[in-house]
Amino acid sequence: EVQLLESGGGLVQPGGSLRLSCAASGFTFNNYGLSWVRQAPGKGLEWVSTISGSDESTFYADSVKGRFTISRDNSKNTLYLQVNSLRAEDTAVYYCAKSYSSNWCFDHWGQGTQVTVSS
Amino acid sequence: DIQMTQSPSTLSASVGDRVTITCRASQSIGSWLAWYQQKPGKAPKFLIYKASSLESGVPSRFSGSGSGTEFTLTISSLQPDDLATYYCQQYNSYSWTFGQGTKVEIK
Repeated sequence: EVQLLESGGGLVQPGGSLRLSCAASGFTFNNYGLSWVRQAPGKGLEWVSTISGSDESTFYADSVKGRFTISRDNSKNTLYLQVNSLRAEDTAVYYCAKSYSSNWCFDHWGQGTQVTVSS
Repeated sequence: DIQMTQSPSTLSASVGDRVTITCRASQSIGSWLAWYQQKPGKAPKFLIYKASSLESGVPSRFSGSGSGTEFTLTISSLQPDDLATYYCQQYNSYSWTFGQGTKVEIK
């Protein structure tokens, strides 16, 4: 059974940083792309970042480019998102999601971790 | 970036009704479209990929169709468990985008 478990969220002041983690199990980790998708309170889903499984190519939404960094540790089956220079508009639940085979859609999701940016 | 527009934003229907949600892309995305269901307080659930392929375990009352710029998600006979918000997502380009969501309410 595929499982994705996020952690690392919390309350942070504007301009602050956090490192989000997503521990994965139940599949061959390094064979799949992984992504972060966020959802602001009462709003829809917003894709944030993706890292491929093969060559670890990375992709970012314009709204986070230069501030967020996605990475993966295949030896630990863990995905990360380093979030810097946080703004109030980054407040959201951050979901980790696994890509579906060679399709860049998301067949499994974690339960999410809350990031709140406020002074 | 490719923009995805869903309609309607909210719909109210009775149990047993046929329900259709439309998703339009700002440019052609071929068949690179997925649908998700999100219940309140829960993570999204994967329903359909490549516009019309049903994910394993998803009830057969759900179906998807379309290509290019216009797509539909159909629930053939609405059930109480289908109360949720539904999102489309394009994955044609390396900048994935979601529609704004369609909230399905049960009358």
